[in-house]
Amino acid sequence: AQSVTQPDIHITVSEGASLELRCNYSYGATPYLFWYVQSPGQGLQLLLKYFSGDTLVQGIKGFEAEFKRSQSSFNLRKPSVHWSDAAEYFCAVGFTGGGNKLTFGTGTQLKVEL
Amino acid sequence: NAGVTQTPKFQVLKTGQSMTLQCAQDMNHNSMYWYRQDPGMGLRLIYYSASEGTTDKGEVPNGYNVSRLNKREFSLRLESAAPSQTSVYFCASSVSGTGTDTQYFGPGTRLTVL
Repeated sequence: AQSVTQPDIHITVSEGASLELRCNYSYGATPYLFWYVQSPGQGLQLLLKYFSGDTLVQGIKGFEAEFKRSQSSFNLRKPSVHWSDAAEYFCAVGFTGGGNKLTFGTGTQLKVEL
Repeated sequence: NAGVTQTPKFQVLKTGQSMTLQCAQDMNHNSMYWYRQDPGMGLRLIYYSASEGTTDKGEVPNGYNVSRLNKREFSLRLESAAPSQTSVYFCASSVSGTGTDTQYFGPGTRLTVL
């Protein structure tokens, strides 16, 4: 069965600093990969997704992620963090033949210091 | 365009009580999902409905039942609530059941079982 690991439970960065959130997956074939963001008390919103093609994908709010098959990773990056980026971030994986069932990571809580 | 709506927003039950969580979407999506979110565990799929008239178990279906009432509505029922079902419940929908589709989430229902 596929699995997703987000090794960092909490991350704190200063406003204006760069950000990288890690995501590793376990799955035999090419997965479908997603990053979602959850603001306090809200549902999840899609930031970006990858399923084929260019391994560097751009998302909303200035986020990007890079699929690295050799490392089974799909890390999320942002060059300059804004205070409004403070939220919880979830990586998720789907797979061919799995319908649209997603397996989510446990999340990374981002705190932004002003 | 409200997207995905869930009622109620908050609920407190006593052990053994029953209740139904309601979910509706106005995006003409075919597929709908119920997840639960627990601290440190990410989101886990309870049940999903790939299309109107079909439902299937997800990762953690025990203690729950679902009804796909029509294309718009997908309800989750707890017949005899247990403290282990204290959680935040999210409903989601997608255009279809293919793995690359974006899932759109509702704002969640926070359920406490005493």
